Amino acid sequence: KAGVTQTPRYLIKTRGQQVTLSCSPISGHRSVSWYQQTPGQGLQFLFEYFSETQRNKGNFPGRFSGRQFSNSRSEMNVSTLELGDSALYLCASRAEGYNSPLHFGNGTRLTVT
Amino acid sequence: AQSVTQPDIHITVSEGASLELRCNYSYGATPYLFWYVQSPGQGLQLLLKYFSGDTLVQGIKGFEAEFKRSQSSFNLRKPSVHWSDAAEYFCAVAFFGNEKLTFGTGTRLTIIP
Repeated sequence: KAGVTQTPRYLIKTRGQQVTLSCSPISGHRSVSWYQQTPGQGLQFLFEYFSETQRNKGNFPGRFSGRQFSNSRSEMNVSTLELGDSALYLCASRAEGYNSPLHFGNGTRLTVT
Repeated sequence: AQSVTQPDIHITVSEGASLELRCNYSYGATPYLFWYVQSPGQGLQLLLKYFSGDTLVQGIKGFEAEFKRSQSSFNLRKPSVHWSDAAEYFCAVAFFGNEKLTFGTGTRLTIIP
């Protein structure tokens, strides 16, 4: 079974621009979560989607948004980029059930200049 | 709110020595506990998980962890580390009724020959 695939792996953007990151979950997984990882803040939960609906949301400003398509693929969008948005963005999928572990992709490294 | 504490930011051990990484969680309900490992530039890989039953769980790569309810702890152990174990290790917790997985700040493991 293929793992979680994130594209692109690296991205360089300028302040004020917007960016869209993509995630393809493991086949059969309907839940997709997004995390931001930075050296200072660690792993912070952004949001989770299940069957095209946002099920959980972290404490991030409205500039961060996401969506999920009918094939469970997910996109994350960040508008009006700030320098502090530079981070590794990780996507993870899981099977149904509260105790199902997350399976992570290798992430997208976003650098904002 | 649920939280996870990994008190050791950085640990250095000699190759062949034993290892114990500490993890404590806070909340009142029965937790679902996980340990993940992250190599540089990569996503997170699941090492092991605890849901219920036997409090000593075995994982991949020779790791094990013990759940101690009285201490709210889920420490990760390995009897003999290998140079390839050098990485960052994350403890995470979720609870029934809350899909969001909360991560600790991580422990960076360095192996010296």
